Amino acid sequence: DGGITQSPKYLFRKEGQNVTLSCEQNLNHDAMYWYRQDPGQGLRLIYYSQIVNDFQKGDIAEGYSVSREKKESFPLTVTSAQKNPTAFYLCASSPDRGGGETQYFGPGTRLLVL
Amino acid sequence: AQSVTQLGSHVSVSEGALVLLRCNYSSSVPPYLFWYVQYPNQGLQLLLKYTSAATLVKGINGFEAEFKKSETSFHLTKPSAHMSDAAEYFCAVSEFNNNDMRFGAGTRLTVKP
Repeated sequence: DGGITQSPKYLFRKEGQNVTLSCEQNLNHDAMYWYRQDPGQGLRLIYYSQIVNDFQKGDIAEGYSVSREKKESFPLTVTSAQKNPTAFYLCASSPDRGGGETQYFGPGTRLLVL
Repeated sequence: AQSVTQLGSHVSVSEGALVLLRCNYSSSVPPYLFWYVQYPNQGLQLLLKYTSAATLVKGINGFEAEFKKSETSFHLTKPSAHMSDAAEYFCAVSEFNNNDMRFGAGTRLTVKP
């Protein structure tokens, strides 16, 4: 079955720690995205990538970093510079960055701070 | 830049009643419009999308939405609510030259027995 997988489902971060969220897709999509979801605020774009070895900042990139070394993988690192990381993180992909393309979402990772 | 506004953060209906979730958009060019559904602790699933082929769009699970340019609206409806429709619903907009998708704040639908 084609789809997007995210791991882990829950992740706990200690103060000053960097953590990495995994996102893998086997849909052969060129574009991938990371969103942050907070209650009552909808989804906000953190980073996106249109192609391997290229990525762009979204609206709330501060305190986050990404890489795109393989087409199917787009991991997100939440760094210690992100002071309020508790949120639900969603990864998505689309065939390309053209307008009207449906974005397909993974099941999400919930990040909690210890 | 494009944006959407969802009117009503919470909507409650009785089982069997009409579901109406409101979405208004803002876009300087013809928009693409989407409705997604999210069940607790899950990702988003596409319900339907508007790409200018037809103003009335039918989606999964009996939902449909009508694009009204004059009202800049794309409201989601379902004639008869089912308990399984209880979820959060997001309206989203993107434009023809990029896939920068903007989401509304979401509407939580509760269905009472």
